[in-house]
Amino acid sequence: GDSVTQMEGPVTLSEEAFLTINCTYTATGYPSLFWYVQYPGEGLQLLLKATKADDKGSNKGFEATYRKETTSFHLEKGSVQVSDSAVYFCALTTSGTYKYIFGTGTRLKVLA
Amino acid sequence: DAGITQSPRHKVTETGTPVTLRCHQTENHRYMYWYRQDPGHGLRLIHYSYGVKDTDKGEVSDGYSVSRSKTEDFLLTLESATSSQTSVYFCAISGGQFMGTQYFGPGTRLTVL
Repeated sequence: GDSVTQMEGPVTLSEEAFLTINCTYTATGYPSLFWYVQYPGEGLQLLLKATKADDKGSNKGFEATYRKETTSFHLEKGSVQVSDSAVYFCALTTSGTYKYIFGTGTRLKVLA
Repeated sequence: DAGITQSPRHKVTETGTPVTLRCHQTENHRYMYWYRQDPGHGLRLIHYSYGVKDTDKGEVSDGYSVSRSKTEDFLLTLESATSSQTSVYFCAISGGQFMGTQYFGPGTRLTVL
């Protein structure tokens, strides 16, 4: 079945460091891919998405490129801030289903 | 922000008691979902609905039932709560747009003693 694999956390970085959170997927067909962010005590919020191969999603300085050849959707940010500390989830959905598959989440902690 | 509310936001109950969680949306979206979030497991789908009175099971549906009598409300019931159902429960909606975005409510923290 479809699945999403994220790198284990927690990830601890200093402010202004470069961030990469890896996400790979397995899916039948051609999925849409998403990154969600969850701040403490809140629900998940959409961070960015991509709906077809080679699309780049971007928002708030975060970027991710839909790589069909490597089945990956890695999240990157050039310079993280303390306010980026949160849990990040990679997710997918595929045509023909309205179910969404989530990774287990990666906790990011940014130190001042 | 998508108009999704969940009630209650926090609940403590005892083993064996029935519990109902409510999700309410103002977006008129067709699809509604219930997930539970537990450390090390991420989000796991309990049940979802694809229309009024149309529901289906997710991967962890045992011990849970749902009902949707109106487009805007989706209820999750634990018929007889167990300690293993202590979790944070999230409701989500999607509009049914082809492979579109899912939007989440603020969550309900349930503790079963």
